[in-house]
Amino acid sequence: DQQVKQNSPSLSVQEGRISILNCDYTNSMFDYFLWYKKYPAEGPTFLISISSIKDKNEDGRFTVFLNKSAKHLSLHIVPSQPGDSAVYFCAASAGANTGNQFYFGTGTSLTVIP
Amino acid sequence: GAVVSQHPSWVICKSGTSVKIECRSLDFQATTMFWYRQFPKQSLMLMATSNEGSKATYEQGVEKDKFLINHASLTLSTLTVTSAHPEDSSFYICSARLNIQGEQYFGPGTRLTVT
Repeated sequence: DQQVKQNSPSLSVQEGRISILNCDYTNSMFDYFLWYKKYPAEGPTFLISISSIKDKNEDGRFTVFLNKSAKHLSLHIVPSQPGDSAVYFCAASAGANTGNQFYFGTGTSLTVIP
Repeated sequence: GAVVSQHPSWVICKSGTSVKIECRSLDFQATTMFWYRQFPKQSLMLMATSNEGSKATYEQGVEKDKFLINHASLTLSTLTVTSAHPEDSSFYICSARLNIQGEQYFGPGTRLTVT
């Protein structure tokens, strides 16, 4: 049962434009969310996080939006750069204070075209 | 930032042999380490959660006798794939958590190929 879903397996964006990656979840107990970036044959690297008490978190070119009522979060990258081309995973955790594990989406492969 | 290393990065072994993969947190103490497996074009699947000094907690469907996890210290966890089969070929990634609430720091992964 996939509790975290990324319905777009791939996305292509022109350099300089905005990239929007989407993620949906089903477990209303999730209260902490993260986005990871992964290059082939490498481990994921942490990008940005958001807790359920917020609806937006911004870090440089990366902004994560959380819509709890829709159980949806998105990652905006603006402006997109060729180096952003990678697979992006969203992850969610329930009861972070209790140390519960994270559930990952299936990933979205982003290609930024120069 | 926190650094997690894995060794080896790539290993080829024959069916029936065992392979050990090490995961180390280099500049912090990790009370909890996680082991994931990734199949091509699929999500990271959590295999087990490893706490220092105690037995690992395995996810449903993961054979604990096949995937032996030892969390010997606050900076080292090992995954041993015993009696490897070709279907065990995969990309194995570990992660370590600095504290009970917060992001996980991932290792670079180990690609296992069983022939």
